Amino acid sequence: AQTVTQSQPEMSVQEAETVTLSCTYDTSESDYYLFWYKQPPSRQMILVIRQEAYKQQNATENRFSVNFQKAAKSFSLKISDSQLGDAAMYFCAYRRGAGGTSYGKLTFGQGTILTVHP
Amino acid sequence: SAVISQKPSRDICQRGTSLTIQCQVDSQVTMMFWYRQQPGQSLTLIATANQGSEATYESGFVIDKFPISRPNLTFSTLTVSNMSPEDSSIYLCSVEGPGGEMNTEAFFGQGTRLTVV
Repeated sequence: AQTVTQSQPEMSVQEAETVTLSCTYDTSESDYYLFWYKQPPSRQMILVIRQEAYKQQNATENRFSVNFQKAAKSFSLKISDSQLGDAAMYFCAYRRGAGGTSYGKLTFGQGTILTVHP
Repeated sequence: SAVISQKPSRDICQRGTSLTIQCQVDSQVTMMFWYRQQPGQSLTLIATANQGSEATYESGFVIDKFPISRPNLTFSTLTVSNMSPEDSSIYLCSVEGPGGEMNTEAFFGQGTRLTVV
């Protein structure tokens, strides 16, 4: 079974600074996807960024980027120029590749609460 | 993208009663998922709701406690039966994006915050 581990229960950052959230995962599969989701107090899960395992290039979305180390099974999220609106719970998630009966299921890490200080 | 309407957004229920949560999607999707998020915790998959067949439950979750209906490709319900305070959680509906398997993005409803007293 796949597991996702976020070892940082809480992180904090000053506004306009950079913060990195850590995530490691365990899988025996070669085809999979990794995601970072943001959950603000509204409870709405918002996709921040995704990474396909077959792509060597790290994904970027504006101020958000990942450091995907496939051999080390590491998938960290870097938030640059942090904003007050970035404060939320962040979840790392794993999804197996297409095919099979369990595609679409997400396995989540424990979450990291990010606080942004003005 | 997919827009999901989940109802109710919150409820306070007496122990021993049941609550049915509805999930409506604005497009046809093959698979719908129900997750539970206990207070301060991560999301755990309860079951996959398949149209035209019984839901597939994850380990630790049973149909008698969490019956699921999936009458068509845009709608599903999750019932939390014979509730106890331990069932107090956020329940979230999720669907895969249009295009099925080839679309890796998952979309979520806004969640139902259930408190059992």
